[in-house]
Amino acid sequence: SQTIHQWPATLVQPVGSPLSLECTVEGTSNPNLYWYRQAAGRGLQLLFYSVGIGQISSEVPQNLSASRPQDRQFILSSKKLLLSDSGFYLCAWSRAGGNYEQYFGPGTRLTVT
Amino acid sequence: AQKITQTQPGMFVQEKEAVTLDCTYDTSDQSYGLFWYKQPSSGEMIFLIYQGSYDEQNATEGRYSLNFQKARKSANLVISASQLGDSAMYFCAMREGVGTGGFKTIFGAGTRLFVKA
Repeated sequence: SQTIHQWPATLVQPVGSPLSLECTVEGTSNPNLYWYRQAAGRGLQLLFYSVGIGQISSEVPQNLSASRPQDRQFILSSKKLLLSDSGFYLCAWSRAGGNYEQYFGPGTRLTVT
Repeated sequence: AQKITQTQPGMFVQEKEAVTLDCTYDTSDQSYGLFWYKQPSSGEMIFLIYQGSYDEQNATEGRYSLNFQKARKSANLVISASQLGDSAMYFCAMREGVGTGGFKTIFGAGTRLFVKA
């Protein structure tokens, strides 16, 4: 069966510090991968998605970036965090193709102070 | 531009009763998919049910069914025989271009469901 891991679970970082959130998927090959952010009490905002190694599409221009160094690894980064980067970050995967549901990781709660 | 609207910020339902969570969408694409997800207080997002725009039958998954009315652009989630564990946030989502490999999924603002004992 497929599983998706995210870490860390919670993170408190000062403004201006760097960020690296990691997501890995097990039990599937060539998945589509996604990073979402959820502000408190709000819906999900798609940040990045990837259909293959090194292939990243950005949905929201900001100080975040994503990378996919391996087939089942997706990394969200920032060189300098802003207060507005606080939120709940969710990684998700789906089977390659269009009409498949997404499966989400447990999320990382980021607080920028 | 695609848009998902969930007009009920919060809903209460008595245990063992059915409840309908509303969702309307806006798209100019002919090929799209509609999804419902559940988010308990733990934060994880759980896939519940999927309806394709070309599916003629309403989707069902156990106690969940999707009331798909294409002409009205609505995709309401019906939960039958509510249980206390159904208390959670519920999100409606849509992906356009499913026939051409579209990937962007947009989510509604969510409806918080409270099940009363």
